[in-house]
Amino acid sequence: AQSVSQHNHHVILSEAASLELGCNYSYGGTVNLFWYVQYPGQHLQLLLKYFSGDPLVKGIKGFEAEFIKSKFSFNLRKPSVQWSDTAEYFCAVNAGVDSNYQLIWGAGTKLIIKP
Amino acid sequence: DGGITQSPKYLFRKEGQNVTLSCEQNLNHDAMYWYRQDPGQGLRLIYYSQIVNDFQKGDIAEGYSVSREKKESFPLTVTSAQKNPTAFYLCASSPVGGGSTDTQYFGPGTRLTVL
Repeated sequence: AQSVSQHNHHVILSEAASLELGCNYSYGGTVNLFWYVQYPGQHLQLLLKYFSGDPLVKGIKGFEAEFIKSKFSFNLRKPSVQWSDTAEYFCAVNAGVDSNYQLIWGAGTKLIIKP
Repeated sequence: DGGITQSPKYLFRKEGQNVTLSCEQNLNHDAMYWYRQDPGQGLRLIYYSQIVNDFQKGDIAEGYSVSREKKESFPLTVTSAQKNPTAFYLCASSPVGGGSTDTQYFGPGTRLTVL
């Protein structure tokens, strides 16, 4: 079955460390890619998205993600994390007709930043 | 304040009872969605509606029903036919139904527990 994979379910980092969260998908055609974040006690919200153009996308709070088509990947990065980045991060893919124009979600990565 | 409201926040149900979860949006969005979130899994789509008086089954529609009589409201009924209803339920909306680049906006969720 076609899917979205987030390989790290839990990540623990110290403040100022660099972050990279992996996201891979298995759809072969055109894809639109999203990262959503859920901070403790808050609604799930969009962090960034890619649908065309520059494969390096910048989002809120210093996050960025790079679309590498040949690797079917859309990894999320941040050069220096802060305690306030503690949250759960979800990758999602809309593969157009291949996903019935709906979002297919990864299982999420829980990120804990130690102060 | 524009957004999506879900009520109640916590809901307890006895086995064999139907229960309805409320979702209201004042964003004037055409499309609305219901997802189920279980620990260690991504969001799974239950039902979605791209326009008033129309809705489609998602990946896990069995044991659930919805209605879309008004643009701003998309209630979800969890019926007694749902084998494992204990979960966290998220409602979302997006400006246009069927738009593969659309951002989805989420409510705070309802945690349903079957006793």
